[in-house]
Amino acid sequence: QVQLVQSGAEVKKPGASVKVSCKASGYTFTNFYMHWVRQAPGQGLEWMGIINPSSGGTSYAQKFQGRVTMTRDTSTGTVYMELSSLRSEDTAVYYCARGVRIVDLDYWGQGTLVIVSS
Amino acid sequence: EIVLTQSPGTLSLSPGERATLSCRASQSVSSSYLAWYQQKPGQAPRLLIYGASSRATGIPDRFSGSGSGTDFTLTISRLEPEDFAVYYCQQYGSSVLTFGGGTKVEIK
Repeated sequence: QVQLVQSGAEVKKPGASVKVSCKASGYTFTNFYMHWVRQAPGQGLEWMGIINPSSGGTSYAQKFQGRVTMTRDTSTGTVYMELSSLRSEDTAVYYCARGVRIVDLDYWGQGTLVIVSS
Repeated sequence: EIVLTQSPGTLSLSPGERATLSCRASQSVSSSYLAWYQQKPGQAPRLLIYGASSRATGIPDRFSGSGSGTDFTLTISRLEPEDFAVYYCQQYGSSVLTFGGGTKVEIK
């Protein structure tokens, strides 16, 4: 069965970086795009960007351009999302989600809570 | 960037009632790229509808989607206790994916 397993919660200081991992299993890793979506406490969903696990090609939401980097490791079936220059507003649960038909998010990771606090 | 506006913000209904949720786009959206998700507290979202009207795998037929252009609707024909949750619409266009602000369906 398809599973996306994310890394554990993180606490970071303002200005630091965080790198969240998402390990995929149960399907051919390179056949499906992967998205990253975040959700601040009590708020809605916010799309951050997408990575093509086959080519490594990425596309980021304008809001995060210059601060976010998405990468993948095809040998382990893992995608990564690194967000730099963290500020308190980046406190959120970060999700990876598989894109079927590229943009329909059919499987989601369990979420990784990132807290940014001094 | 296309903005999706969902209404109402909160819908208070009883089990067995019909729920009608609206998603309005700031400009025309391809129906192929309009989806709906359900999210319960502490859980990741779940894909319900894709392509504006196609149910995702395992989604009960009491959930239906319709609409085109700038106006889309998610209908839950008869609310079950497990349907009380927050619902989000989502679109993809011009290499950008956006979500609506969500509609909370709560028990009246």
